[in-house]
Amino acid sequence: RKEVEQDPGPFNVPEGATVAFNCTYSNSASQSFFWYRQDCRKEPKLLMSVYSSGNEDGRFTAQLNRASQYISLLIRDSKLSDSATYLCVVNIGNFNKFYFGSGTKLNVKP
Amino acid sequence: ETGVTQTPRHLVMGMTNKKSLKCEQHLGHNAMYWYKQSAKKPLELMFVYSLEERVENNSVPSRFSPECPNSSHLFLHLHTLQPEDSALYLCASSQARRGGEQYFGPGTRLTVT
Repeated sequence: RKEVEQDPGPFNVPEGATVAFNCTYSNSASQSFFWYRQDCRKEPKLLMSVYSSGNEDGRFTAQLNRASQYISLLIRDSKLSDSATYLCVVNIGNFNKFYFGSGTKLNVKP
Repeated sequence: ETGVTQTPRHLVMGMTNKKSLKCEQHLGHNAMYWYKQSAKKPLELMFVYSLEERVENNSVPSRFSPECPNSSHLFLHLHTLQPEDSALYLCASSQARRGGEQYFGPGTRLTVT
């Protein structure tokens, strides 16, 4: 079983739509959680960390559900520039134990 | 210069060549990583260094040889590579504490002919 699983998509949405991604993780000892964004042929860039109480950064909201072992990312009022692959990353409490999901592709259409 | 830098950005090499990839981080971090990303595949962790000591080697073939002379620099020495080694090689750094986020360099796009 993979440590981190994501729906690969693609999610095709119109501009202005709200879209949500989920990511499940298998290790209950997971400590830290992140969402990264990766544009085509570019490096992953940290979008936001995910805190136990949930957190929001502008149009982006991240939630953590430890009981069900999943994290979510909600994007409101989608922009064309949000088109990218979104990577879910989990850390098992040690700097050398980062696990990456395979990513969810988002296409925002005009 | 800030963040994580990598050179070269693009590299084409024959199977008999020897080349090196360089990574430098300007974030004051003490852990550095090499990842491989092949087309349409997730990131694969190759090596992890903390305080210049290798702490992880994910069954990487010996034709890839890492070197970490200090906490700011990381190299990946390449020799007798195979065409299937063509990929994007990404360097990252983090603070070696529980759960610190990673920051990535722009990557080296390697093509082995």
